[in-house]
Amino acid sequence: EAGVVQSPRYKIIEKKQPVAFWCNPISGHNTLYWYRQNLGQGPELLIRYENEEAVDDSQLPKDRFSAERLKGVDSTLKIQPAELGDSAVYLCASSLRTTNEKLFFGSGTQLSVL
Amino acid sequence: KNQVEQSPQSLIILEGKNCTLQCNYTVSPFSNLRWYKQDTGRGPVSLTIMTFSENTKSNGRYTATLDADTKQSSLHITASQLSDSASYICVVRLPYSGAGSYQLTFGKGTKLSVIP
Repeated sequence: EAGVVQSPRYKIIEKKQPVAFWCNPISGHNTLYWYRQNLGQGPELLIRYENEEAVDDSQLPKDRFSAERLKGVDSTLKIQPAELGDSAVYLCASSLRTTNEKLFFGSGTQLSVL
Repeated sequence: KNQVEQSPQSLIILEGKNCTLQCNYTVSPFSNLRWYKQDTGRGPVSLTIMTFSENTKSNGRYTATLDADTKQSSLHITASQLSDSASYICVVRLPYSGAGSYQLTFGKGTKLSVIP
């Protein structure tokens, strides 16, 4: 079974440029998460989807970040314009709605904003 | 603010030795506590998930314990291998209380290095 697939693996951009990340969750997983992880820190939730509905986006900086999950499968996370402080690893995860909701993470996209 | 504190921040051990990583949390009540392993450049991988009523759970050479009274959890690694070198993250899940109220609180992780 394929795991959570993210692309690209690495992205280097100049500040003020736009950038987008793509995530394909595990087949059948209705819950999808986007996390941001800074070096030496734990992941921080940006947004959580239940199917195509964003049910928790309270930590998403909406002035520059946007996300979508069309048809409740793949998802994209966009930053426009990027700032130096956005440099981090962006992780996508998916899960089934079960009692313990085990999360499966992708390998992440490492973003460097110069 | 709910917090999950892990110690030590980093640890170096010799191959074949045992080690124990600590997690102290202030989240209460909670639904479950998880330990994840994160290799460099990879996403976290689940090792164990324990509900508040469980004391211990094993996954191969990894054994997690939970003391809900003292709000402490530990991850014990037996007979360490070079492939155990990674960050180990403790995560506490709050109880579900309606749409949009789901929350996982992540610790900063312990970086373990196993050397030959």
